[in-house]
Amino acid sequence: QVQLVESGGGVVQPGRSLRLSCAASGFTFSSYGMHWVRQAPGKGLEWVAFIRYDGSNKYYADSVKGRFTISRDNSKNTLYLQMNSLRAEDTAVYYCAKDGPMYSSGRNWFDPWGQGTLVTVSS
Amino acid sequence: QSALTQPASVSGSPGQSITISCTGTSSDVGGYNYVSWYQQHPGKAPKLMIYEVSNRPSGVSNRFSGSKSGNTASLTISGLQAEDEADYYCSSYTSSSTHVFGTGTKVTVL
Repeated sequence: QVQLVESGGGVVQPGRSLRLSCAASGFTFSSYGMHWVRQAPGKGLEWVAFIRYDGSNKYYADSVKGRFTISRDNSKNTLYLQMNSLRAEDTAVYYCAKDGPMYSSGRNWFDPWGQGTLVTVSS
Repeated sequence: QSALTQPASVSGSPGQSITISCTGTSSDVGGYNYVSWYQQHPGKAPKLMIYEVSNRPSGVSNRFSGSKSGNTASLTISGLQAEDEADYYCSSYTSSSTHVFGTGTKVTVL
């Protein structure tokens, strides 16, 4: 079955960097776009970024643009989120999620989701 | 991009029907049929319940249905059951090539 497993979360000081990973299995990873979505403690969901199946297009939320970079390695079935210049407001559980249909441009739905990894930005 | 507007809470008795609204603008909900709904139980990852306004994924109960009129989308849960108690979020694609989620609705089964 489709499985997404995030890793790389932890406690980091403001201004520092962190890289999250999302290991995919159970589907042809190289045929699907992927998203990152986050959820601050006790708050709602916030879409973060999308990368097309071949990495040719990437889109970001305004709140992370210029600080975060989404990337993928299709040979390793892994999605990444490089987070630089971290702020307290970036504290959240970060989920990776598969986009809907194959070869999509990212307009679609998120299914399934990983279990999430917690990032805490604090001094 | 402002979050889509949902009621903070909705409640109903077992067996009843409830509807959750999701209001956006012509740049998101009103402009595209890329509206989806997610159920989230405490401490768990969200689960897709409805995609493209009214389509139900395989395995999701037919008690869940979706619709849209203008800038407002809706999720209806019929025959409410105890296991439906959770947070629900809508999501829409936007004209900026991004996605926006709703503020979230807590569903309580009385």
